[in-house]
Amino acid sequence: EIVLTQSPDTLSLSPGERAILSCRASQSVSGYLVWYQQKPGQAPRLLIYDTYNRAAGIPARFTGSGSGTDYTLTISSLEPEDFAVYYCQQRNNWSFGPGTKVDIK
Amino acid sequence: QVQLQESGPGLVRPAETLSLTCTVSGGSLETYYWSWIRQSPGKTLEWIGSIYSSGSTIYNSSLKSRLTLTIDSSKSQFSLRLNSVTASDTAVYFCARNSGSGSYFFDVWGQGSLVTVSS
Repeated sequence: EIVLTQSPDTLSLSPGERAILSCRASQSVSGYLVWYQQKPGQAPRLLIYDTYNRAAGIPARFTGSGSGTDYTLTISSLEPEDFAVYYCQQRNNWSFGPGTKVDIK
Repeated sequence: QVQLQESGPGLVRPAETLSLTCTVSGGSLETYYWSWIRQSPGKTLEWIGSIYSSGSTIYNSSLKSRLTLTIDSSKSQFSLRLNSVTASDTAVYFCARNSGSGSYFFDVWGQGSLVTVSS
């Protein structure tokens, strides 16, 4: 069973700054890694699938990268609406990571 | 566009059965897997199980003994039944559409339904 860990737990940044979120798998997920954004009281929203493909309507400031066991979500310049919790998820057993909260510094 | 809406009781007694239905509008159930995912208060997301339009199912092994998923394409609905519930089953339950290679991620979600297990 593949386990995902995310770091950091919380990222405190200001609007306009770059956010770099990490997701690490206990074994290779072969690029089958997705990222979701969740705001309070809302369902998760698909951002990135298969490591780097942006879902429909997702702004270009969201970029996914990585391979093997290590993956990164980069938000190039934080907008006010980007402050949320971000989860990664993989294909092997469809499990999710614990999440990274991006909050306003 | 496709929209999903969960419905069902918000309160279930311990040891009883939790039942939820997801109604799909704006699209067909055909050729997709459809899933249930839950989120306990303050916790991460947990995939519960998925059902294909043909009725074949895939269950989370940790819930398999208590779980039944069904689908009714004529009503554009799929449903979850989780029996012998305990307080640890208290969560927001989301229905979602699977997508991607191996249908492993979720591209359309319902708004979620809070289910509390309590006497």
